[in-house]
Amino acid sequence: ETGVTQTPRHLVMGMTNKKSLKCEQHLGHNAMYWYKQSAKKPLELMFVYSLEERVENNSVPSRFSPECPNSSHLFLHLHTLQPEDSALYLCASSQEPPGTSGTTDTQYFGPGTRLTVL
Amino acid sequence: GQNIDQPTEMTATEGAIVQINCTYQTSGFNGLFWYQQHAGEAPTFLSYNVLDGLEEKGRFSSFLSRSKGYSYLLLKELQMKDSASYLCAVNSWGKLQFGAGTQVVVTP
Repeated sequence: ETGVTQTPRHLVMGMTNKKSLKCEQHLGHNAMYWYKQSAKKPLELMFVYSLEERVENNSVPSRFSPECPNSSHLFLHLHTLQPEDSALYLCASSQEPPGTSGTTDTQYFGPGTRLTVL
Repeated sequence: GQNIDQPTEMTATEGAIVQINCTYQTSGFNGLFWYQQHAGEAPTFLSYNVLDGLEEKGRFSSFLSRSKGYSYLLLKELQMKDSASYLCAVNSWGKLQFGAGTQVVVTP
């Protein structure tokens, strides 16, 4: 399945580093999402972009900065992270923007980036 | 507040049937999704229910009762490859609210 790809798959960084996560969707979808998945916890929605505009920011700390240059690409820029930010970061896309119902809202996920902050 | 509850872990033998329950309390409801997630991989879409009743798709079926805030995912004829985490998610005002997932372990 290559519908949604993410790079890198694994990332280890120090608290003073700056790094970026990349997501690309090949499905022609109009909405893209960033989620955080910590062990034994539900997926947490971080950001939502619809037609390249941010429509949701779930009170995420400013050390996480998203960027959506076009409808196929989504980035998550990281700086001065904390060890508790270590998690699996998942990107997803859906055909229609959030707020609609039905199967067009179905989100398709990438494989994630496993982030470890030392 | 929003609450999605599902069991943490279930174990079943190959060839058996397992039912994963999900109860939810959300401020809005626009449908319920089930995803499968193998360790280290992306969650993959399994099913979607928006009306009450049973949706069958091969070995997997999903049921919804909106009045009870309840859904289940039924896995029949279990195979070893079905060992994975199963995530229940409710579309509430356009946002997916996820449960913590149920780890299903299939034994020979």
